[in-house]
Amino acid sequence: AQTVTQSQPEMSVQEAETVTLSCTYDTSESNYYLFWYKQPPSRQMILVIRQEAYKQQNATENRFSVNFQKAAKSFSLKISDSQLGDTAMYFCAFKNGQNFVFGPGTRLSVLP
Amino acid sequence: SQTIHQWPATLVQPVGSPLSLECTVEGTSNPNLYWYRQAAGRGLQLLFYSVGIGQISSEVPQNLSASRPQDRQFILSSKKLLLSDSGFYLCAWSDIPLPGLSDGYTFGSGTRLTVV
Repeated sequence: AQTVTQSQPEMSVQEAETVTLSCTYDTSESNYYLFWYKQPPSRQMILVIRQEAYKQQNATENRFSVNFQKAAKSFSLKISDSQLGDTAMYFCAFKNGQNFVFGPGTRLSVLP
Repeated sequence: SQTIHQWPATLVQPVGSPLSLECTVEGTSNPNLYWYRQAAGRGLQLLFYSVGIGQISSEVPQNLSASRPQDRQFILSSKKLLLSDSGFYLCAWSDIPLPGLSDGYTFGSGTRLTVV
């Protein structure tokens, strides 16, 4: 069975600085996708970024980028120039077929 | 912009009681709707999906049912809750039915159900 681990339950970062959220996963599948979702307090989850397992190039979406290390089964999220609106729970997720496996989440606080 | 609303956020229900969780989507028409459940320590499991009013597909036979009485409303129900129904329930929507491997969904904020 697939598992997703986020080892940092909580993190904080000063506004305008850079922060990296860690995620590792375990699977025997070769074809899958990885996602980072953001959930502001009491709000819907929003897709931040996605990565295809067979692509070595790291995905980038504006201030968000990932460091995908397939052999190490690592998928970290880097947020550059952090903004107050980035304060949220961040979930790393693995998808194979219609089933998602979510990590437990990292609560990120951006401090003014 | 599209938004998805799910309520309640938390719920504690006794064994044998009924359940009704509601999910609504705004800002889009004919969305594809999904109910997922995450049991403690496990990944998300697809329970039901719907591609249109009155059209419900069940992925996992269980003590739950789903209904879609309106285009943008999706309801998860149970007549009699079991202890094993405890978990985190997420509603989601997508533009296309059963998105491919590369597609994410837009998820609601979730309902944490504890059956006691």
